[in-house]
Amino acid sequence: DLEMTQSPLSLPVTLGQSASISCRSGRSLVSSDGNTYLNWLQQRPGQSPRRLIYQVSNRDSGVPDRFSGSGSGTDFTLKISRVEADDVAVYYCMQGIGWPYTFGQGTKLEIE
Amino acid sequence: EVYLVESGGAVVQPGESLTLSCTASGFPFGKYNMHWIRQRPGKGLEGVSIIRNDGGQIGYADSVKGRFTISRDNSKNSLYLQMNSLRSDDSGLYICAKDSPNGSIEHWGQGTLVSVSS
Repeated sequence: DLEMTQSPLSLPVTLGQSASISCRSGRSLVSSDGNTYLNWLQQRPGQSPRRLIYQVSNRDSGVPDRFSGSGSGTDFTLKISRVEADDVAVYYCMQGIGWPYTFGQGTKLEIE
Repeated sequence: EVYLVESGGAVVQPGESLTLSCTASGFPFGKYNMHWIRQRPGKGLEGVSIIRNDGGQIGYADSVKGRFTISRDNSKNSLYLQMNSLRSDDSGLYICAKDSPNGSIEHWGQGTLVSVSS
């Protein structure tokens, strides 16, 4: 299975400040079609996961532009600007190139 | 609107078998790959299995290979997971998910709970 490694696993952030989560894959996530299949998901307490970003940097409809994704190959970053209380959740990276899809360990964002 | 409703979760003993089902609606089921994802208590997400839209290609996590079997019935808009030789570390919430063409998952069910305990 394709390993995905996230850091940090715990992320205390002050309201209004920025937060950054890193994700590294065990091999390149660039497909033969030229696309890079790296996603970011948000899971709020008691809820199913919700996709925020697909193919590295494409935000889903309704996702605030405070959320942005970047990276290439095997190294990726999710940045959350101006953190709000509603952002408290666990964030996962997920690769969509190998079967089955695999996930990072999750990063728990909390307000300090 | 997409709906994915899982069922079949139960409390079972180690070594026993269980079959989970997922009934889908709101989209052309037979056109999409489908996933089973699990979340152990207090832990992260784990991709368990994926099946191509026509059932012709299947993938399993190493942790379940040889014990779990994924299948689908497109005429019934249903996805299944047959789980054999269950172990305590198979306990968790099993979530049915709809694949998205861009190497992603856009829709998730609420999950069904499996508990393996003696």
